[in-house]
Amino acid sequence: SQQGEEDPQALSIQEGENATMNCSYKTSINNLQWYRQNSGRGLVHLILIRSNEREKHSGRLRVTLDTSKKSSSLLITASRAADTASYFCATLTQGGSEKLVFGKGTKLTVNP
Amino acid sequence: NAGVTQTPKFRVLKTGQSMTLLCAQDMNHEYMYWYRQDPGMGLRLIHYSVGEGTTAKGEVPDGYNVSRLKKQNFLLGLESAAPSQTSVYFCASSLTGTSGNYEQYFGPGTRLTVT
Repeated sequence: SQQGEEDPQALSIQEGENATMNCSYKTSINNLQWYRQNSGRGLVHLILIRSNEREKHSGRLRVTLDTSKKSSSLLITASRAADTASYFCATLTQGGSEKLVFGKGTKLTVNP
Repeated sequence: NAGVTQTPKFRVLKTGQSMTLLCAQDMNHEYMYWYRQDPGMGLRLIHYSVGEGTTAKGEVPDGYNVSRLKKQNFLLGLESAAPSQTSVYFCASSLTGTSGNYEQYFGPGTRLTVT
């Protein structure tokens, strides 16, 4: 069953622009994580935000979490061609077992 | 540290054949996971392990078996391969459970085709 759903499915921007991806989920969560996947590679963890946090930053990444709306957003500022990848949100259901549920991802293309 | 490694990288099987995928991690992580990724889909959890000698079912466990005889290794077996098992398989590990707010580290994947 799909918990997180990313929006948009695909995003194409120019280098230097900001990229915003959104994730919506259905049930109460323990934490929400964002991962990046370059084509043909494994996933790389970007950032984890706990259910009692509202915003986190890591370098050019900014993640927000709104538990009342059951949604999160990932902002990549000053994007680079190397940011071209698919981005997935993953949620851990509150009170559940150790099952991280991934969305279908947003495919980001940054044009040089 | 090599991190999480997977063997093999590619494999083609005929329907009905069996095979084992090996995942190894050198980070002394307690938890290990097997996922499959199909085109246009996120990752779906097949099985996971919370420690040596333990295994548990994930979202899509049918047709797969796993074993965790050593802490550093997590094996995924396909008993009788079917075309529906054509996918990219990813192994991951984490220090402890995700509920402890630890991230997962992923291997490079195994691309399996069943004809």
